[in-house]
Amino acid sequence: ILNVEQSPQSLHVQEGDSTNFTCSFPSSNFYALHWYRWETAKSPEALFVMTLNGDEKKKGRISATLNTKEGYSYLYIKGSQPEDSATYLCASFNQAGTALIFGKGTTLSVSS
Amino acid sequence: DSGVTQTPKHLITATGQRVTLRCSPRSGDLSVYWYQQSLDQGLQFLIQYYNGEERAKGNILERFSAQQFPDLHSELNLSSLELGDSALYFCASRGGTSGGAFSEQFFGPGTRLTVL
Repeated sequence: ILNVEQSPQSLHVQEGDSTNFTCSFPSSNFYALHWYRWETAKSPEALFVMTLNGDEKKKGRISATLNTKEGYSYLYIKGSQPEDSATYLCASFNQAGTALIFGKGTTLSVSS
Repeated sequence: DSGVTQTPKHLITATGQRVTLRCSPRSGDLSVYWYQQSLDQGLQFLIQYYNGEERAKGNILERFSAQQFPDLHSELNLSSLELGDSALYFCASRGGTSGGAFSEQFFGPGTRLTVL
C-alpha cells in the first residue's frame, strides 16, 4: 500500500514569513509527484507536477523540490500572504501509474 | 473555473437510499477520476475512466459503481447508503492519452453528500 505523508498537519504564520512543508512518499516505482492547492470552498488546483530527481519548480513565490531517491518533496512559500491560506496537498502516482494517492495535506493560515 | 462541472452541489438523503452524482469533464478530456473526501481523511481515489472504459479502481465499495458515457460525462452511483458515506465527492479530469502520471488533474467543485 502506498502511503503519502505530509507534515506539518497545520501551520500558522504571519504575513511576510517564509515557510515550507514536507511530503514523503515511497521511493520505489516512482512515477510522478503532484502538488495541489485547495482553498476553502473551492476545489483543488494543480501547482506542480514533478517527475525527475532533483526537479525544482517555481510559480511566483511558491517553489518545490523533489528527491525521488529518498522519497520526499518540499514546498516553499516565500513571503507568505493572507491569500496563500489554503490546504496544500501532495499526491504520488502508485505503481500502476494510474491513480493519484493523496496525502492528508498541510493547512496553512497566514495572518496579516 | 476548472471547466469540470458536477451536479448536484449538495445532496441530502437517508440511509438505505441510492443517489447518482454527475460529472462533466473539461472539453476534450477523456479521463475522469472520482475521489471521496471524508472527515479526517485525505482525498481517496475511487475509480478512473478513460474514454468510456474503466481504467483503474481504488478504494471503491461494492455498493458504489460508476460509468462514463459516450459524450464523456460520468456518473457515480452510490447505493444502500450508510451514515459513513457522508462526504465530499470530487470528480477530476485530465487531458492527454492514457497513463496520466505526468498530467495535472482538473477538479470539479464537488458534491457534498449528507446521509441522515
